[in-house]
Amino acid sequence: AQSVTQPDIHITVSEGASLELRCNYSYGATPYLFWYVQSPGQGLQLLLKYFSGDTLVQGIKGFEAEFKRSQSSFNLRKPSVHWSDAAEYFCALNNAGNMLTFGGGTRLMVKP
Amino acid sequence: SQTIHQWPATLVQPVGSPLSLECTVEGTSNPNLYWYRQAAGRGLQLLFYSVGIGQISSEVPQNLSASRPQDRQFILSSKKLLLSDSGFYLCAWSTPGQGFYGYTFGSGTRLTVV
Repeated sequence: AQSVTQPDIHITVSEGASLELRCNYSYGATPYLFWYVQSPGQGLQLLLKYFSGDTLVQGIKGFEAEFKRSQSSFNLRKPSVHWSDAAEYFCALNNAGNMLTFGGGTRLMVKP
Repeated sequence: SQTIHQWPATLVQPVGSPLSLECTVEGTSNPNLYWYRQAAGRGLQLLFYSVGIGQISSEVPQNLSASRPQDRQFILSSKKLLLSDSGFYLCAWSTPGQGFYGYTFGSGTRLTVV
């Protein structure tokens, strides 16, 4: 069965600092992987996705993620965090069928 | 372009009252449709999904039901709300067979049962 784990429930970083949010998955083949962001009281917005090719994918708002098959990971990164990045972040996996499996989410807080 | 609409944005309902949340998608045909719930401080829980008119799959037993009376309309209902039904409800759609596009989410409905 496929699964997605986000080990960090909460992360706090200072504005301007770098950010890395962890995502590990379990799936028997190459998955389609996604990162979504949810601002308070809002729906989920797609940040980026990976399904083949270059393992480093660029997304919106200055985010990037790297697919590492050997580590079953798809970590999200940003070199310099802005206060507006405070939100909840969800990693998700799709096995090319109709269903996304989501991680439990990581809540990011940004200190001024 | 495709858009997804959810309403209402917020709702306060007494225990035992009925519920109807509506979700509509525009700009696409025969989408897969999904209802998710987020309870306070918790992740996303898939409640229902639909691959076509009248075709509803339930992921968890609960006090809620879903219907798809039209191709691009997805309704979440309850006959009698419980306090535990409070949460943030999200509708989403995807294109069948094109999993690499992921889901597109609506803006959500905040339901408070009092």
